[in-house]
Amino acid sequence: DTAVSQTPKYLVTQMGNDKSIKCEQNLGHDTMYWYKQDSKKFLKIMFSYNNKELIINETVPNRFSPKSPDKAHLNLHINSLELGDSAVYFCASTQGNSPLHFGNGTRLTVT
Amino acid sequence: QQPVQSPQAVILREGEDAVINCSSSKALYSVHWYRQKHGEAPIFLMILLKGGEQKGHDKISASFNEKKQQSSLYLTASQLSYSGTYFCGTEGSNYKLTFGKGTLLTVNP
Repeated sequence: DTAVSQTPKYLVTQMGNDKSIKCEQNLGHDTMYWYKQDSKKFLKIMFSYNNKELIINETVPNRFSPKSPDKAHLNLHINSLELGDSAVYFCASTQGNSPLHFGNGTRLTVT
Repeated sequence: QQPVQSPQAVILREGEDAVINCSSSKALYSVHWYRQKHGEAPIFLMILLKGGEQKGHDKISASFNEKKQQSSLYLTASQLSYSGTYFCGTEGSNYKLTFGKGTLLTVNP
């Protein structure tokens, strides 16, 4: 049973489109994250939710909007996609001092 | 603030040892170490909490010096399977885990 699952695994879309990535965890964790990994492998934190509440919102364009309908789900919606949004997006979850459990990533390619 | 990892890359022969360092300019609550293979998600190696403890996992161990705000990952008698990019993540407060830029480790036969 997958602990943190993301869909889709691959996403290819054109500039200007709007797309969503979904994430679900079955670990019972309270805290979920979105990280962006660019072509240079830099893992940059974007957002974090704790029990459905937004607690970390890094310097991310307003075109990115996270939504957490419940503590097991954290979705990421991206409006007006740009070429620079191409990256691998990882969802992760944790509880207290426990390690991050990452999803398998969503490779977004904007053409 | 992003922790600084060194070296950026290291190439080893099987059986050799390596040390990867991670330092922060801010006080740290904990340090995490992860390894990521190409095309895969990062996987957890170990977490070190305040207290200067050293942890071990098979032939991989790590130390955390909270006074110096530094952590080191020690890989001994490296195996081919150790190849990958190693990330340290530092936690200051508020659940925020910030990763360094990674160290690419290549182990050759």
